[in-house]
Amino acid sequence: SQTIHQWPATLVQPVGSPLSLECTVEGTSNPNLYWYRQAAGRGLQLLFYSVGIGQISSEVPQNLSASRPQDRQFILSSKKLLLSDSGFYLCAWKRDTYEQYFGPGTRLTVT
Amino acid sequence: AQKITQTQPGMFVQEKEAVTLDCTYDTSDPSYGLFWYKQPSSGEMIFLIYQGSYDQQNATEGRYSLNFQKARKSANLVISASQLGDSAMYFCAMREGPDSWGKLQFGAGTQVVVTP
Repeated sequence: SQTIHQWPATLVQPVGSPLSLECTVEGTSNPNLYWYRQAAGRGLQLLFYSVGIGQISSEVPQNLSASRPQDRQFILSSKKLLLSDSGFYLCAWKRDTYEQYFGPGTRLTVT
Repeated sequence: AQKITQTQPGMFVQEKEAVTLDCTYDTSDPSYGLFWYKQPSSGEMIFLIYQGSYDQQNATEGRYSLNFQKARKSANLVISASQLGDSAMYFCAMREGPDSWGKLQFGAGTQVVVTP
C-alpha cells in the first residue's frame, strides 16, 4: 500500500531564516505531487504541483519554491522566511484516481 | 471569486443522528468533480467521497453520501448515524476540467462537533 511521509512535523523558525520541508511517497511510481498551505481556521491553498521529476508548476507567486529531485520526493523551500509563511503545510499525491491523499503535515511557526 | 462555498462555519450534532453539510460550487466547465475531506484535530486530511459531474447516481461510501444537485450547483455531504469520532473539520473541494493535473480548490470548511 501507499504511504506519504512529511518531516519535520513541527518547526519554529525566525524571520529571515531558510526553510526546507520534505515529502516522500512510498508504494507508487510517477505520482502527481502537491504542496498546500492552510492558514489557521481556513481552507487549503494550493502552492505547487508536479507531474514529474523536475516539473514544477506554481499556483501562487510568493516567497516559496518547490523542487522534485526524485520521482517520489517533493521539497518545499524558502531562502528567507516571512511571518506570513506561518501555517500548516500539507503534501499530497495522486496517481490514477481523482482523489488526492495527504501526508500528516508540517506545522510551521515563523517568529 | 470563491469557487467553493461552505456557509456553515460550525455545527453541533447528537450522536446517532444524521447531519448534512452544505457545499455550493461555481464553475462553467461541464467536466468537474467534487470531493469531501475530513480533517480531525491531528491535521491530516482524510478523503471521504467523490462525485463526478457526469455521474448519474449520487455517490455513497459507508455512512457518507453526497447529495449532488447539479442544477443548483450543490454537493452536500450527509453523514448518517453520527459517531463521536466524526467530530472534525469537513472540507468540500472541486477539480475543474477533465483532470487539470488534479488541482483542487477547497472551501473554508465546516467544524462538526458530535455530542453524546
